[in-house]
Amino acid sequence: DADVTQTPRNRITKTGKRIMLECSQTKGHDRMYWYRQDPGLGLQLIYYSFDVKDINKGEISDGYSVSRQAQAKFSLSLESAIPNQTALYFCATSDSSTGRFEQFFGPGTRLTVL
Amino acid sequence: RKEVEQDPGPFNVPEGATVAFNCTYSNSASQSFFWYRQDCRKEPKLLMSVYSSGNEDGRFTAQLNRASQYISLLIRDSKLSDSATYLCVVTPFSGGYNKLIFGAGTRLAVHP
Repeated sequence: DADVTQTPRNRITKTGKRIMLECSQTKGHDRMYWYRQDPGLGLQLIYYSFDVKDINKGEISDGYSVSRQAQAKFSLSLESAIPNQTALYFCATSDSSTGRFEQFFGPGTRLTVL
Repeated sequence: RKEVEQDPGPFNVPEGATVAFNCTYSNSASQSFFWYRQDCRKEPKLLMSVYSSGNEDGRFTAQLNRASQYISLLIRDSKLSDSATYLCVVTPFSGGYNKLIFGAGTRLAVHP
């Protein structure tokens, strides 16, 4: 089984709809992240969470919100989707206890907003 | 100027070739450096960390030049399966949170 899972894997929606993307992990990591990737651009950080009660905005948080329901679960919501939110979305995790900074990614959600 | 810059490629090389990618970063206080590999429409996967003394993992060698602020990745004896996009990743020092800054990636295509 994959250590970091994302649902759904693909989603097509219409402008103005509310969308939730979910991420779960079995790695036991404390930190979780949401990124988006657009063609030709590097991954951009949307939100990150150090633990259930610690949630922080990333570089491009406008139009997004998150919820850390448990250490293993981190959801991303688009309150009112717009076409320029069409992108590939990745969840990632890291373990702060190792003193290392590498992150481990889920398989991604391809979101299309019409 | 982008924080992490990479040549987007593509680098088209035959099997067995040696290929090198460079990446430059703008923050001289950056602490940690990585190369990730990303296959088309898949998630990035950690290829290797980059240490100050340079490090090797099989056919892959990574080097760091702090004075010139660049990182390199050398792939020897290229395989068809090496075809992917290689992401240069840098962690600038920022106090309590060391976020990852991703380059846009360098695409490698290995052909028979």
